[in-house]
Parts: sequence; structure tokens; C-alpha cells
Amino acid sequence: AQSVSQHNHHVILSEAASLELGCNYSYGGTVNLFWYVQYPGQHLQLLLKYFSGDPLVKGIKGFEAEFIKSKFSFNLRKPSVQWSDTAEYFCAVNLSGGSQGNLIFGKGTKLSVKP
Amino acid sequence: GAGVSQSPRYKVAKRGQDVALRCDPISGHVSLFWYQQALGQGPEFLTYFQNEAQLDKSGLPSDRFFAERPEGSVSTLKIQRTQQEDSAVYLCASTQAGTDYYGYTFGSGTRLTVV
Repeated sequence: AQSVSQHNHHVILSEAASLELGCNYSYGGTVNLFWYVQYPGQHLQLLLKYFSGDPLVKGIKGFEAEFIKSKFSFNLRKPSVQWSDTAEYFCAVNLSGGSQGNLIFGKGTKLSVKP
Repeated sequence: GAGVSQSPRYKVAKRGQDVALRCDPISGHVSLFWYQQALGQGPEFLTYFQNEAQLDKSGLPSDRFFAERPEGSVSTLKIQRTQQEDSAVYLCASTQAGTDYYGYTFGSGTRLTVV
């Protein structure tokens, strides 16, 4: 079965530090890849997505992610975090071209940014 | 409406009680998904509708779970004879596309606590 692994359960950073959150998936076929963010008390929001083309994807709020097919990875990065980036981040996958669009989520990584 | 609306926001049920959770998707969105998010976990797929057709219910954990979307807009997730393990946040998401994927819009969820 397909699965998504997020290696870090909780990451604590100081403001201006660089961020990289790991995400690996297990599926040999073509996939679509996503990062969602959930700010405290809010609903899940799409941060960025990869369907095809340039494997370096830029999203909102200065986030980017790189799809490395050979490593089955889609790590999320931000050069300099802010206190307002404190949230939970979820990596997700769905099967490209499938007749259904349900997402498979990782368990999430909680990011705490110290001011 | 502007977003996906879910009600109630919180529900406390006594074990054995039946509950009904409502989702109002964004007007015109064809696809509607239900997810279950247990504490400390990522969302897990429950079921998927395309208009009024329930195309996938493989994620429903037992026959106590039932979902419907009779007119292709509002959807209801019903849980019969609730158990403690049903305690979770139930998320609804909708998307404009039919069989392809452009990004879900999630609701804020219903937090169900079974006591």
C-alpha cells in the first residue's frame, strides 16, 4: 500500500533559521505531491503542489519543495522562518491519473518557531 | 459560500449514540471527500463522492459509518453506535475538478468526542 513518511515529529527553530522538513513516499508509479499547512485553530491549507515539470516548486509564504524522483522524496524548505510559520505541516500524495483523487497524508510535522 | 462549511464544530456523544456530521462544500465543486484525523495523526481517507455518486468508500472503518450526498452538494457522514475509537476530527474537502486534482479546500472539521 502507498504510504507517506514524515521523519520529524516536532521541529523547533529560532526565527531566521532555515527549515527543511523531510517527506518520503512509497509508490512506484506517477504521483502528485502536496504540502499542506495547518495553523493553530485553522483548517488545512494548500502550501504547494507538484504535478509535473520543474521539480523545484515554489509555494506561498516563501516555501518551496523539491521533488527527487530517484529518492521518492518531496522535502519542504524555507530559507528563513518566521514566528508566524508555527504550524503543523503535512506532506501528501495522490496517484496521478487515477479515477479518484483521495490523498494519502503523512503524520505531520509540528513546527514551533521561537521569536 | 466562500469556503467549505462543516457542522457542528464540536460534538460530544455518549458511546452507543448515533451522530450525523454535515458538510457544505463550495458551490459547484464536483468532488467531495471525507477524512478522519485522529489525534497526532495525519488525515486518513474515508470516502469520496463525485456529484451524488459515492465512487469510493474503501476508507470507511466499519459498517457503522455511512455517508451520503443525495443532491450532489451537501453531504452527511453518519456514525451509528459510536465507539470511543471513533473520537477524531472529521474533515470534509471539496474540489472543483472531477477526476483530476487541483487542490482541495478543506473545512475546519468536526471534532467528535465519544465518552
